[in-house]
Amino acid sequence: QVQLQESGPGLVKPSETLSLTCTVSGGSITNYYWSWIRQPPGKGLEWIGYIYYSGSTNYNPSLKSRVTISVDTSKNQFSLKLSSVTAADTAVYFCAKGPRDVTGRVSPFDYWGQGTLVTVSS
Amino acid sequence: DIQMTQSPSSLSASVGDRVTITCRASQGISNFLAWYQQKPGKVPELLIYAASTLQSGVPSRFSGSGSGPDFTLTISSLQPEDVATYYCQKYNSAPWTFGQGTKVEIK
Repeated sequence: QVQLQESGPGLVKPSETLSLTCTVSGGSITNYYWSWIRQPPGKGLEWIGYIYYSGSTNYNPSLKSRVTISVDTSKNQFSLKLSSVTAADTAVYFCAKGPRDVTGRVSPFDYWGQGTLVTVSS
Repeated sequence: DIQMTQSPSSLSASVGDRVTITCRASQGISNFLAWYQQKPGKVPELLIYAASTLQSGVPSRFSGSGSGPDFTLTISSLQPEDVATYYCQKYNSAPWTFGQGTKVEIK
C-alpha cells in the first residue's frame, strides 16, 4: 500500500520560497503521477500541480508563475517550491498520488499524505 | 476552466435520513467525477470515482450517480460517523478542480 509523507518548514516569511518534500513508500515513484494539493484553513481544496518520474509537469494556471515541482527517483521523493509567498499561501499542503496512472490515463487522487500546515508570517 | 458547483454548502439531517448532495460541472466532463470525504481535522478520502464506482472499503450506504452536467452523492442512511465535508472533483483534464464542499452535520 502506497504511503506518502510531507516534510518541510512550518513557517515561511512573506516574499520567501516555500519548500516541501513528499516521501513515497510502499511503491515506486516511477509507477504513477504525483500531485501537490493545498487547503487554506477553513476553506476548500486547490490542486497545485503534478509531476511524473520523467520530470514532466503540469501546474495550475493560477499558481504557474510561482510553482516548481521536481522529482528525485533515487530517494522516491518529489518536492514543491512556491516562490514569493504571501499570507494567502497559508494552508495545509498535501501530497497525493494522481491524477494519472502509469499509462497516462486520468485517475482520481486515491492516496494522500497526512498534510503539513505551512504558515506565512514574519 | 471548468467550474464545479456543489449544493447545498451545508446541511443538517437526522441519523437514518437519506442525504443527497449535488455537483454541477460548467462544461462536459463525461463521467470523470470523484467524491471525497474529509472528516474534521483529517485527510480527504476517496469515496467514489467514475461518478458511480465505490472505492474499495467504502460503506455501501454511499452511492454516486449522474453523467453530466449534474452529479449526485447519496448517503442512504446517515450515520454519526458520516459527519464530514464532502467534495466533488473533476479529473478529465487539467486543471483538476474541486467543488467548494458540502458540510454534513447531524441534527
